Amino acid sequence: AQTVTQSQPEMSVQEAETVTLSCTYDTSESDYYLFWYKQPPSRQMILVIRQEAYKQQNATENRFSVNFQKAAKSFSLKISDSQLGDAAMYFCAYRSDTGANSKLTFGKGITLSVRP
Amino acid sequence: EAGVAQSPRYKIIEKRQSVAFWCNPISGHATLYWYQQILGQGPKLLIQFQNNGVVDDSQLPKDRFSAERLKGVDSTLKIQPAKLEDSAVYLCASSFRTGLTKNIQYFGAGTRLSVL
Repeated sequence: AQTVTQSQPEMSVQEAETVTLSCTYDTSESDYYLFWYKQPPSRQMILVIRQEAYKQQNATENRFSVNFQKAAKSFSLKISDSQLGDAAMYFCAYRSDTGANSKLTFGKGITLSVRP
Repeated sequence: EAGVAQSPRYKIIEKRQSVAFWCNPISGHATLYWYQQILGQGPKLLIQFQNNGVVDDSQLPKDRFSAERLKGVDSTLKIQPAKLEDSAVYLCASSFRTGLTKNIQYFGAGTRLSVL
């Protein structure tokens, strides 16, 4: 079974600074997807960024980028120029690309606070 | 484009009572998921539907939980009878079954259930 580990429960960043959130995962599969979701107090999960395991190039979405290390099974999220609106819980998630089952396996999440 | 709709937003019940949650996925999304998110944890899949068929319900406590998606669109998740440990946020998500974005799940705002 796949597992996702987010070992940091909380992080804090100064507005306009850069922060990196860590995530590791365990799988025996070679084809899969990785995601970072943001969950504000409104509770709705919002997709921040996704990475296909077969792609060597790290995904980037505006101020958000990932450092995907397939051999190390590491998938960290970097937020540049942090804004107050970035404050939320962030979840790392794994999805297999094998078979019909397409469930997401989530980590425990990390609470990010942004200091003005 | 309308997002995933869920109702109610909040529900408070006493243990041993029954409760039902409703989800309307994004139009055209064949796959629908129900996740349970206990406070301080990441969401955990309860059940996955492909149209009106069940793909995965391995983590659904079938002695008390049931779910249906009769016409392959709306879905209902029921708990009967509820236990204290069922207190959680219940998230519904949907995705396309095929295509470039089939690996992206879109989430509703969830229902927060409190069992007293």
